[in-house]
Amino acid sequence: NAGVTQTPKFRILKIGQSMTLQCTQDMNHNYMYWYRQDPGMGLKLIYYSVGAGITDKGEVPNGYNVSRSTTEDFPLRLELAAPSQTSVYFCASIPPGSYGYTFGSGTRLTVV
Amino acid sequence: GESVGLHLPTLSVQEGDNSIINCAYSNSASDYFIWYKQESGKGPQFIIDIRSNMDKRQGQRVTVLLNKTVKHLSLQIAATQPGDSAVYFCAENIPGANSKLTFGKGITLSVRP
Repeated sequence: NAGVTQTPKFRILKIGQSMTLQCTQDMNHNYMYWYRQDPGMGLKLIYYSVGAGITDKGEVPNGYNVSRSTTEDFPLRLELAAPSQTSVYFCASIPPGSYGYTFGSGTRLTVV
Repeated sequence: GESVGLHLPTLSVQEGDNSIINCAYSNSASDYFIWYKQESGKGPQFIIDIRSNMDKRQGQRVTVLLNKTVKHLSLQIAATQPGDSAVYFCAENIPGANSKLTFGKGITLSVRP
């Protein structure tokens, strides 16, 4: 198993540009999450999904969108990038009834 | 404010000594707690967990202690090694929250040779 795979690892965006952060897992986990991590801070939940076709907002969803068309994939979309979205983004997954997240290696995004 | 927090931002220990990393949580309904380790440039990795009906749980070189009376969680690392240098996060789960964890800010553990 590859676990949770995130692409790209690094990206620089200009203000107003859009991009999709990819996340895929091969563990057949139903639950998937997107977190952002700002310097010196903990992880903040952006969006999560409890299964294909089901998504919900987390603590900091503004400026982001997600979709979950398959169990494996949970992409995160930034439509109009802003400097405040400069952060490291982590995707995670777990099977139902569990709490021990498996995290991807992260995407470091800089908006200039 | 955050419901899970850490008392100190950094901790420096001598190689071979024991490390104790502390965490306070504010939600008495939390039923599950996890410690994660994050090495530079990597995603957080699960270290050890504990349910709220337990006071102590031991792993390999690590022990987690839970004091529900004062809402305090600690991670003890025995015989700290250079490879233990990382940022450590505590996280809590509130029942019914779709397994969404609330993370603390993290504490950096630096091991001196």
